[in-house]
Amino acid sequence: SQQGEEDPQALSIQEGENATMNCSYKTSINNLQWYRQNSGRGLVHLILIRSNEREKHSGRLRVTLDTSKKSSSLLITASRAADTASYFCATDYGNNRLAFGKGNQVVVIP
Amino acid sequence: DVKVTQSSRYLVKRTGEKVFLECVQDMDHENMFWYRQDPGLGLRLIYFSYDVKMKEKGDIPEGYSVSREKKERFSLILESASTNQTSMYLCASSPSSGRGRKRNEQFFGPGTRLTVL
Repeated sequence: SQQGEEDPQALSIQEGENATMNCSYKTSINNLQWYRQNSGRGLVHLILIRSNEREKHSGRLRVTLDTSKKSSSLLITASRAADTASYFCATDYGNNRLAFGKGNQVVVIP
Repeated sequence: DVKVTQSSRYLVKRTGEKVFLECVQDMDHENMFWYRQDPGLGLRLIYFSYDVKMKEKGDIPEGYSVSREKKERFSLILESASTNQTSMYLCASSPSSGRGRKRNEQFFGPGTRLTVL
């Protein structure tokens, strides 16, 4: 099955810096979603961007979608220690299922 | 506060045992999912269900079965647990897009970390 692939796989930044991670996918999608997972817990939905949207904001989060390149990016601005987590992109191909990437671990150093 | 709950946070079983993992959601969602999560492999879909008594195989169904007798409850069954089924198991639910909802955001439970000895 197709899956999103995040890049880079691991990121370590100082508090206050921005964190950017990318996701690529293989075929046409209805929407793309980003999730966060704190250590050892379930995933929490962060933001959804539809296939006809190019950019979306939610608080300190900014997501872009480039359907021609089949890629998305998640930007976390002014990072905080509490942003330390794994971030997953998930693609919706329209069949009620999501295909998750392998995840991107972000460590924010206070 | 909407919730997906899983019966155990940690579980230790022996090889060959039958294992039941329970998941309950209180959001009246049609869709429910079971994933396993392993380091470096991300989330892999085991089984999912669109409705009561309905089930579909995901990407890695071998060694697992499921049961959905009530809308709010989706059970994952390991008929004969093996050490390679040691993993984090995540349950999720989502509303059906057939109800006019365009988004299929999934809501996750806290996970069950299963160790098979």
